[in-house]
Amino acid sequence: QVQLVQSGAEVKKPGASVKVSCKASGYTFTDYYIHWVRQAPGQGLEWMGRNNPDSGGTKYAQKFQGRVTMTRDTSISSAYMELSSLRSDDTAVYYCARGPPSTGELIDWGQGSLVTVSS
Amino acid sequence: QSVLTQPPSASGTPGQRVTISCSGSSSNIGSRIVNWYQQLPGTAPKLLIYTNNQRPSGVPDRFSGSKSGTSASLAISGLQSGDEADYYCAAWDDSLDAWVFGGGTKLTVL
Repeated sequence: QVQLVQSGAEVKKPGASVKVSCKASGYTFTDYYIHWVRQAPGQGLEWMGRNNPDSGGTKYAQKFQGRVTMTRDTSISSAYMELSSLRSDDTAVYYCARGPPSTGELIDWGQGSLVTVSS
Repeated sequence: QSVLTQPPSASGTPGQRVTISCSGSSSNIGSRIVNWYQQLPGTAPKLLIYTNNQRPSGVPDRFSGSKSGTSASLAISGLQSGDEADYYCAAWDDSLDAWVFGGGTKLTVL
């Protein structure tokens, strides 16, 4: 069965960076985009961007341009999302999800990784 | 302020039919497909409806989606207590060049 297993919770200070990992299994890693979506406490879902594991190409939401980097390692079927210059309002659960390149629905989701930004 | 507008809450009694609306614009719903996600308390979101009205395998046919113009709707019939969750609509936005979500609707089964 398809699984997306994310790295554990992190606590970071303002100004630091965080890198969240997402290990995929149960499907051909390069056939689906990996998207990153975050959810602040008590808030809704916010799309951050996506990575094409086949080409390595990325598309980021304008809000995160310059602060986010999405990468992948096809040898271990893993995707990564690094967010820099962290602020307190970056405190959120970060999800990875896979979606087909053609239509983009987010078929399967990771369990989420809580990132807390606090001094 | 979300690009797609949903009512913050909805409610119904067991067995009832409820609908959740999602309003957008010509740059998103008006020209793109709509997907719906269900998020049960304390869990990751789950794909509920894709391409406006398609159900993934395993999703009961009590759940249905529709789209007209710049609006979309999710209907849940035969409401069950297990349907208590947050529901989100999503669509690609051509102006923002990004996926956008509605603010979410919290469904309560009375």
